[in-house]
Amino acid sequence: GDSVTQMEGPVTLSEEAFLTINCTYTATGYPSLFWYVQYPGEGLQLLLKATKADDKGSNKGFEATYRKETTSFHLEKGSVQVSDSAVYFCALSENTDKLIFGTGTRLQVFP
Amino acid sequence: EAGVVQSPRYKIIEKKQPVAFWCNPISGHNTLYWYLQNLGQGPELLIRYENEEAVDDSQLPKDRFSAERLKGVDSTLKIQPAELGDSAVYLCASSLSSGSFSEQYFGPGTRLTVT
Repeated sequence: GDSVTQMEGPVTLSEEAFLTINCTYTATGYPSLFWYVQYPGEGLQLLLKATKADDKGSNKGFEATYRKETTSFHLEKGSVQVSDSAVYFCALSENTDKLIFGTGTRLQVFP
Repeated sequence: EAGVVQSPRYKIIEKKQPVAFWCNPISGHNTLYWYLQNLGQGPELLIRYENEEAVDDSQLPKDRFSAERLKGVDSTLKIQPAELGDSAVYLCASSLSSGSFSEQYFGPGTRLTVT
C-alpha cells in the first residue's frame, strides 16, 4: 500500500542554518504531496503542497519539489529561525482527501 | 474564525473504563475526520464523515470504538472499554468538502492516557 518515509529526528540546528528534511513515498498512482507542521500544543497545519510532478510548493520560506523520478518531496529552508521549532510531517493523498502521513521529524532550532 | 475545537484536551482513565471525545468542526465544514496519533508516529485515519454519514470507517476498531455525528456538525468518538494500548492522541479535523483535495484543518487533539 501507499506509504511515506521521513528521516528520523530530532534535527538540531543553529539559527540561520540551512534545513533539509528528507521525505520519500511509495504510491501506486500519482499522489498529491504535502508537508504539515505541528507547533507545540497546537494542531497540525498545512505548510505546503504539490499536486503533480515538478511542482514546487512554498510557504513561509519553506520549499519542497515533487520529484517523480526519485519519489521524493524533501523540505528545505534556507535560514531557519527558533520559531520554526516544531514537528514536520510529510503526507500523501492518492485520491480525494485521505491522507497518509509519515512518522514526523522534530526540528529544534537554537539561538 | 474559530478553528476546530476538541475537548477534553487531556484525559486519564483506568483500563476497562469508557471514555468519550468531542469535536466541533469549523462552521460550514461538511467533512469531519477522526485520526489516531500514537507516540512518535503520524496520524492515522479512523473515520471520515460527510455530513452525518460515515463514508470511511474501515480503520475504526468497531469492537470497542464508536463514533457519531448527529445533525452533521459536532462529533463524538467513544471507546468502551479502554485498553492500555489506546493511550494516544486523538485528533479531529474538518474540511469544506471531499472530492478533489480540500485542506484539512486539525484541532489540538485529546491526549488519552490509560492506566
